[in-house]
Amino acid sequence: DQQVKQNSPSLSVQEGRISILNCDYTNSMFDYFLWYKKYPAEGPTFLISISSIKDKNEDGRFTVFLNKSAKHLSLHIVPSQPGDSAVYFCAAMGGYTGGGNKLTFGTGTQLKVEL
Amino acid sequence: DTAVSQTPKYLVTQMGNDKSIKCEQNLGHDTMYWYKQDSKKFLKIMFSYNNKELIINETVPNRFSPKSPDKAHLNLHINSLELGDSAVYFCASSQIGGRSYNSPLHFGNGTRLTVT
Repeated sequence: DQQVKQNSPSLSVQEGRISILNCDYTNSMFDYFLWYKKYPAEGPTFLISISSIKDKNEDGRFTVFLNKSAKHLSLHIVPSQPGDSAVYFCAAMGGYTGGGNKLTFGTGTQLKVEL
Repeated sequence: DTAVSQTPKYLVTQMGNDKSIKCEQNLGHDTMYWYKQDSKKFLKIMFSYNNKELIINETVPNRFSPKSPDKAHLNLHINSLELGDSAVYFCASSQIGGRSYNSPLHFGNGTRLTVT
């Protein structure tokens, strides 16, 4: 039961252009969403997050958009840089009352930014 | 100044053996986690401890036993290793109230376990 889905396993973008990574979720109890970036042989690092009370959050070149009715979020990177090449994981949480941050992850999208 | 560190980075062992992975965080967080990334790249939570108390325990075989001697350490012990245990195991930490927008999980660099 995959509650967070990233349907594009890979994405290739030219340097300077916009990268758009997509994520869909099925659990309506999710109310907080995060994007993580992962380089090979390293752990995921937090990039940006958004609460379900918002539809947009921006941090420098990174913007996350949330469409609750469609259960869809996207990460925009503008402009894309070669150093952005990594695997991007979408994650969600909510509806869990046991304490702690129980994140549900997607399977990731490999972004390659080409010169 | 590593925030979340795990050892070893690589672990190759035979079926039936018992092994441990250690994790330490110096962020002052009160909650630590173990995640498993399988061959299909799914990152799934296994356990979480808050101030040495187990608060998340997903459906994980009893052969896996987490141990938290203090809130800065969370070790993972695996008994009778099986081929299917081969995966990358990530330790993470966060500050509970954990729903805070400023307290996302911080991950270690992972331990690649290979069972032969």
